[in-house]
Amino acid sequence: KAGVTQTPRYLIKTRGQQVTLSCSPISGHRSVSWYQQTPGQGLQFLFEYFSETQRNKGNFPGRFSGRQFSNSRSEMNVSTLELGDSALYLCASGSSYNSPLHFGNGTRLTVT
Amino acid sequence: AQTVTQSQPEMSVQEAETVTLSCTYDTSESNYYLFWYKQPPSRQMILVIRQEAYKQQNATENRFSVNFQKAAKSFSLKISDSQLGDTAMYFCAFMKPPQIQGGSEKLVFGKGTKLTVNP
Repeated sequence: KAGVTQTPRYLIKTRGQQVTLSCSPISGHRSVSWYQQTPGQGLQFLFEYFSETQRNKGNFPGRFSGRQFSNSRSEMNVSTLELGDSALYLCASGSSYNSPLHFGNGTRLTVT
Repeated sequence: AQTVTQSQPEMSVQEAETVTLSCTYDTSESNYYLFWYKQPPSRQMILVIRQEAYKQQNATENRFSVNFQKAAKSFSLKISDSQLGDTAMYFCAFMKPPQIQGGSEKLVFGKGTKLTVNP
């Protein structure tokens, strides 16, 4: 089985722009979660999608949004980028009550 | 709200020796999951081991084992026979049980411990 796939691996954007990150979960997984990882704040939960519905949301501004498609693939969007949005964005997918989350390799976003 | 604390920012160990990474957490939940994830330079977060709070027996995965003390809210990871490939950031994480089948709750992570295995 293929793992969680995140694209692109690297992104460089300038302040004020917007960006879209993509995540393809493991086949059969319906839950997709997003995390932001920075040296200062560590790993923080952004949101979780299940069957195209956002079930949980972390404490991030409305500039951070996401969606999930019928094939469980998910996208995360950040609008009006700020320097502080520079981070590694990790996506994880899960399949069942007793299944741990499987993470992708992440997208490294740099905002200049 | 749940919190997870890893008090050792960095640790080092000689190859083939044993090392223990500490983790404490705070929660009012009675049932939950605890995890240790490993993040090598490749950036991918890899599950090392997990523990369900209602299970008293400590989890073990090959060279990795945990010491789960529920009353003390402590969840330490022991790595035996350390290998060079164990060099990585190690994160302790907490999760409440998913509310729906197939869904997942948020993982609350500690700040991590950077482990270096020396030859």
